[in-house]
Amino acid sequence: NAGVMQNPRHLVRRRGQEARLRCSPMKGHSHVYWYRQLPEEGLKFMVYLQKENIIDESGMPKERFSAEFPKEGPSILRIQQVVRGDSAAYFCASSPGRDSYNEQFFGPGTRLTVL
Amino acid sequence: GDSVTQMEGPVTLSEEAFLTINCTYTATGYPSLFWYVQYPGEGLQLLLKATKADDKGSNKGFEATYRKETTSFHLEKGSVQVSDSAVYFCALSYNNNDMRFGAGTRLTVKP
Repeated sequence: NAGVMQNPRHLVRRRGQEARLRCSPMKGHSHVYWYRQLPEEGLKFMVYLQKENIIDESGMPKERFSAEFPKEGPSILRIQQVVRGDSAAYFCASSPGRDSYNEQFFGPGTRLTVL
Repeated sequence: GDSVTQMEGPVTLSEEAFLTINCTYTATGYPSLFWYVQYPGEGLQLLLKATKADDKGSNKGFEATYRKETTSFHLEKGSVQVSDSAVYFCALSYNNNDMRFGAGTRLTVKP
């Protein structure tokens, strides 16, 4: 059973370009979470999605950032018009649901560098 | 709001030394508590967890006890190894799956 997969692992963009980060949850998991980790800092929650629904986006910046989790295919975190401050590691996690012990399984992350 | 506070790093220890990484939390209810570990260049891996007061989570020689009276979940290991060098994150979560992480503590173990 493959774990959470993220691609690309490393992404370089110039200021003003768009960044698309993909996350495929573990098989059987319908809940996806995105986190951002700035250098030397902890993870900050961004958004929580289920298939075709955004459940909680309280951690998402109001502008330029969006996320989706379509019925088919991976979850996408999209950053438009990137700025240097968007450089960070973006981690995706998945879980089977809201019950049990809420364990989240993390992917290896996408390291975004904005030049 | 709910939050987690970890001791600041970095922490540097010699092999076989005793490890304690402090973690305290602020919560309005009774969350589950977690320790995650992040090895260089990798994502977070769950190390251990506890879901109610007085529960002890343990894994790979690491332990942490959920202390409601002191709102703490300190991570301990009796004898660290070089391979334990990583960043350790304390976290809490309720049923809404919104996991709150501490800032992380970097541990370096020297031979």
